Amino acid sequence: AQSVTQLDSQVPVFEEAPVELRCNYSSSVSVYLFWYVQYPNQGLQLLLKYLSGSTLVKGINGFEAEFNKSQTSFHLRKPSVHISDTAEYFCAVSVSNYQLIWGAGTKLIIKP
Amino acid sequence: GAGVSQSPSNKVTEKGKDVELRCDPISGHTALYWYRQSLGQGLEFLIYFQGNSAPDKSGLPSDRFSAERTGGSVSTLTIQRTQQEDSAVYLCASSPRGVTDTQYFGPGTRLTVL
Repeated sequence: AQSVTQLDSQVPVFEEAPVELRCNYSSSVSVYLFWYVQYPNQGLQLLLKYLSGSTLVKGINGFEAEFNKSQTSFHLRKPSVHISDTAEYFCAVSVSNYQLIWGAGTKLIIKP
Repeated sequence: GAGVSQSPSNKVTEKGKDVELRCDPISGHTALYWYRQSLGQGLEFLIYFQGNSAPDKSGLPSDRFSAERTGGSVSTLTIQRTQQEDSAVYLCASSPRGVTDTQYFGPGTRLTVL
């Protein structure tokens, strides 16, 4: 069965430090890849997505992710985090023309 | 414009009772999704509507779960004879067409089965 793995359930990082949130997936077919973010007491919203083309995708709030087909990864990065980035981040992968498979989420904890 | 809305925001019910959860998608969005999110888990796909049709109901956990969508708009998820394991946050999302589009999520309904 296809799956999405977010290895880190929590990632603590100091403010203004860089961060990488990891996402690996298992799929033998072409996929579309997504990162969604859930800020405290808010609904999920799209951060960025990869459909085709350049493997480096830029999203909102300074985040970017790189699609690596050989490693079946789609890691999310930000060069300098801010306290407002405190949230839970979800990676998702398409498995059909309508269904996404979701990772368990990574909580980003910003330390002052 | 208005986003996706869900009601109720919280629902506490007794084991064995039926519950109905409602989702109002963004106007004009033909695709509608229901997910379940349990504590510490990712989103579990339940069902997808394209218009009023649900081509894939395989994500529904059991025959106690059913969903419908009317007028290409409002959707209801019904859980009959609720069990404690049904306790979770139920999320609804809509998108303009399909899987490559951004999904816009509602705030969710937190269901607690006592």
